[in-house]
Amino acid sequence: QQKVQQSPESLIVPEGAMTSLNCTFSDSASQYFAWYRQHSGKAPKALMSIFSNGEKEEGRFTIHLNKASLHFSLHIRDSQPSDSALYLCAVRSSGSWQLIFGSGTQLTVMP
Amino acid sequence: EAAVTQSPRSKVAVTGGKVTLSCHQTNNHDYMYWYRQDTGHGLRLIHYSYVADSTEKGDIPDGYKASRPSQENFSLILELASLSQTAVYFCASMAGGYEQYFGPGTRLTVL
Repeated sequence: QQKVQQSPESLIVPEGAMTSLNCTFSDSASQYFAWYRQHSGKAPKALMSIFSNGEKEEGRFTIHLNKASLHFSLHIRDSQPSDSALYLCAVRSSGSWQLIFGSGTQLTVMP
Repeated sequence: EAAVTQSPRSKVAVTGGKVTLSCHQTNNHDYMYWYRQDTGHGLRLIHYSYVADSTEKGDIPDGYKASRPSQENFSLILELASLSQTAVYFCASMAGGYEQYFGPGTRLTVL
């Protein structure tokens, strides 16, 4: 069964810093890779997703996928206090309609 | 934007009592999911459904039942609530196999 792990568990960065969040997965046939963001007391909401190896940039956020190393990451440029949230990575295996979520990285951006 | 609503938003139940959590979506999505989230942690799949009148077990189905009477509605039933089922429960819907849209969550406390 698919295993999804995130690191680090928590992260505190100063405003304006570059933040990097990591996610590893176990099924090399996985097809869909996503990051969800959950502000305190709110519902998770999809942030970005990627399907094939490489990078995808949307504003201050970049997602990078390397299927061979079973790893994908989220990079936040010029981190803002409003970026403080729980970040969840999620992976969908081939032939499955389930998303497997990691346990999350709690990000705090200090003003 | 996709709309998923949940009721109640919070619930206090007694050990051994029956609890029903309801979810309603207005997006015509085929797939619906129930997750639980324990404080500061990721999402674990309890049950899901891809068509009305049919449900599937997720990763942690023990102690939970699910019901999908229509495409729009998906319920989670705890027949005999236990202390260990205290958590926040999220419902989600999905259309084409990728992005999931989450409801606001139900905070369940079992005493």
